[in-house]
Amino acid sequence: AQSVTQLGSHVSVSEGALVLLRCNYSSSVPPYLFWYVQYPNQGLQLLLKYTTGATLVKGINGFEAEFKKSETSFHLTKPSAHMSDAAEYFCAVRPSGAGSYQLTFGKGTKLSVIP
Amino acid sequence: ETGVTQSPTHLIKTRGQQVTLRCSSQSGHNTVSWYQQALGQGPQFIFQYYREEENGRGNFPPRFSGLQFPNYSSELNVNALELDDSALYLCASSTRDYITTGELFFGEGSRLTVL
Repeated sequence: AQSVTQLGSHVSVSEGALVLLRCNYSSSVPPYLFWYVQYPNQGLQLLLKYTTGATLVKGINGFEAEFKKSETSFHLTKPSAHMSDAAEYFCAVRPSGAGSYQLTFGKGTKLSVIP
Repeated sequence: ETGVTQSPTHLIKTRGQQVTLRCSSQSGHNTVSWYQQALGQGPQFIFQYYREEENGRGNFPPRFSGLQFPNYSSELNVNALELDDSALYLCASSTRDYITTGELFFGEGSRLTVL
C-alpha cells in the first residue's frame, strides 16, 4: 500500500522568497515520485518526476525536488517565488514495477505568493 | 499536437441518475486513466484502459464503469448517482511507456454536481 502526506494544506510566501513544499511517502516497493501543479479551473500538469538515477531532479518553471530514501521524502523547492507560481501542488507516488499504473496523490498544498 | 479534451466541462445531475463523461486522448496516446478529485482532496484513481480493456482499478464500486474505443477515446459512466459523487473527474492519457516514464497528461476535467 502506498500513501502520500503533504505537510501544510496552504503555504504563503513573499514574491522572491524560497518556496518549500513538503512531501513524505510510504511505499512497500521502490517508488516513482511526481509533483503536479494545478492552476484554477485547469487540469494537472507535470512539474517533475523521479524514476531512477540522479536523486535531485529539475522540472519546469525553475522547480526542483530531491528524493531522499532515508527520509522517505520528495520535497519541492524553488529559490525565488513568482506571482505566477500561485497554484495548488500535488505530490504523487507510484510503484516502480511493471503492471503498476495507479498514481496515489497527496491532498495538495495551495501556494499563495504575496507581492 | 492535440491535448487531452474532456466533455462536458460542467454538469448537474440529481441523485439516482446516470452520467456519461467523455475524453479524447492526446494524439499518439493509447492508454487512458480516470481520476476523481473531490473538493479539497487529491485525485483518486478510478481505473485505466489500454487497448479497449480495463487493466487496473481503484477502490470504486461497480457502478463506475468505462469504455475505451478503437481511436483510444474513452467514456466514464456512473450509475445511480450519489451526493458524494460530486467531484471533478479527470481524464489522463499516456503512451504505454507510462510504465517506465510515469508521465500522464491530464485534461481540464468535468465538474459533476449531484443534487
